[in-house]
Amino acid sequence: AQSVTQPDIHITVSEGASLELRCNYSYGATPYLFWYVQSPGQGLQLLLKYFSGDTLVQGIKGFEAEFKRSQSSFNLRKPSVHWSDAAEYFCAVGGLNTGTASKLTFGTGTRLQVML
Amino acid sequence: DAGVIQSPRHEVTEMGQEVTLRCKPISGHNSLFWYRQTMMRGLELLIYFNNNVPIDDSGMPEDRFSAKMPNASFSTLKIQPSEPRDSAVYFCASSLGENTEAFFGQGTRLTVV
Repeated sequence: AQSVTQPDIHITVSEGASLELRCNYSYGATPYLFWYVQSPGQGLQLLLKYFSGDTLVQGIKGFEAEFKRSQSSFNLRKPSVHWSDAAEYFCAVGGLNTGTASKLTFGTGTRLQVML
Repeated sequence: DAGVIQSPRHEVTEMGQEVTLRCKPISGHNSLFWYRQTMMRGLELLIYFNNNVPIDDSGMPEDRFSAKMPNASFSTLKIQPSEPRDSAVYFCASSLGENTEAFFGQGTRLTVV
């Protein structure tokens, strides 16, 4: 069955430190890949997406993600975390068996805490 | 653009009552999605529409749930009768076609007591 795995439920980093959030998916072909961020009581904001082409994609707020086909991974990175980055981050996969990019299967999320 | 607009933001209702959640997608978007977020099940797709037509409702939990999209600028998700286990945050999202990214509303937090 198709699935999206975010192995880290909770991560704590110090402000200014680098960040990597992991995401793996299970699917036979290359799906559409997304990272969304959710602040408390808010909706989901798109950070970045991968549809095709360059496997390193840049997003908003200084985030980037790299698609690695051989590892079925799409990890999110940021070189220097700011206190305002504290939120929950969701990896999502679209197009699983549907060809519809925006019909999404979400991971369980990673809650990021930033220490000042 | 104002983004995807959902109303109400919060809804508290008694078990057995009918609940209607509303969504206005981004103007020009022709795909609309309803998601539900719970602690136990995370974010899950309930139903999606393309050009106002329901395409996949396999995520709708049971017959108590129904969704409509009478026109390109409005959709409703109705629960009748509501039950405490329906308590969740319900998100509406829209996209410009089926192969573009989805933009989410702020969500409706539903509490059924």
